Amino acid sequence: GESVGLHLPTLSVQEGDNSIINCAYSNSASDYFIWYKQESGKGPQFIIDIRSNMDKRQGQRVTVLLNKTVKHLSLQIAATQPGDSAVYFCAESAAGGTSYGKLTFGQGTILTVHP
Amino acid sequence: SAVISQKPSRDICQRGTSLTIQCQVDSQVTMMFWYRQQPGQSLTLIATANQGSEATYESGFVIDKFPISRPNLTFSTLTVSNMSPEDSSIYLCSASGLPAETQYFGPGTRLLVL
Repeated sequence: GESVGLHLPTLSVQEGDNSIINCAYSNSASDYFIWYKQESGKGPQFIIDIRSNMDKRQGQRVTVLLNKTVKHLSLQIAATQPGDSAVYFCAESAAGGTSYGKLTFGQGTILTVHP
Repeated sequence: SAVISQKPSRDICQRGTSLTIQCQVDSQVTMMFWYRQQPGQSLTLIATANQGSEATYESGFVIDKFPISRPNLTFSTLTVSNMSPEDSSIYLCSASGLPAETQYFGPGTRLLVL
């Protein structure tokens, strides 16, 4: 089936820096995208989502950018903190049919924030 | 967002045995799902748990190996049958309300098969 992949498997940043985590997706029918944060020993935690009719969406310290032309998704974290250290997954969903509600996950990026 | 709990949180099992994992949501949800996350890897969807009917399995997963129940809108179980060491994984339950695409996850069940 279609897959979602990440460019960088690991990312190390200094506390206070901004972080950018990238994700490429291949299903042109995808119309909904989510970023999750997974800390060690826990389940994935919803961070932010975006629909394909938007290019940008902002949350608290996080921004998701969607470029449908090149099928690229990114998560920006402002003023990264040690508590942001985790694995970040992008996921995508295609509307309608048998795929409705199902998520396809990317491979994950390990973010390490150094104090 | 829904609060999701899973039991057990972890278990160590002998090969050939079966383990049933429970998933409880604190509110009524439209869809429930089961995922597997092998060590150091991403999440793979096992099946969609349908209320009152047979689950819908993804390619590579079969009902005999992973029977699933969903007797009501807030509860589901996944059984890992006839386990082998290759079944050692984290098993995650998720649920969504409206919009149906926004899934929230339980804490996972960490399974080790010896």
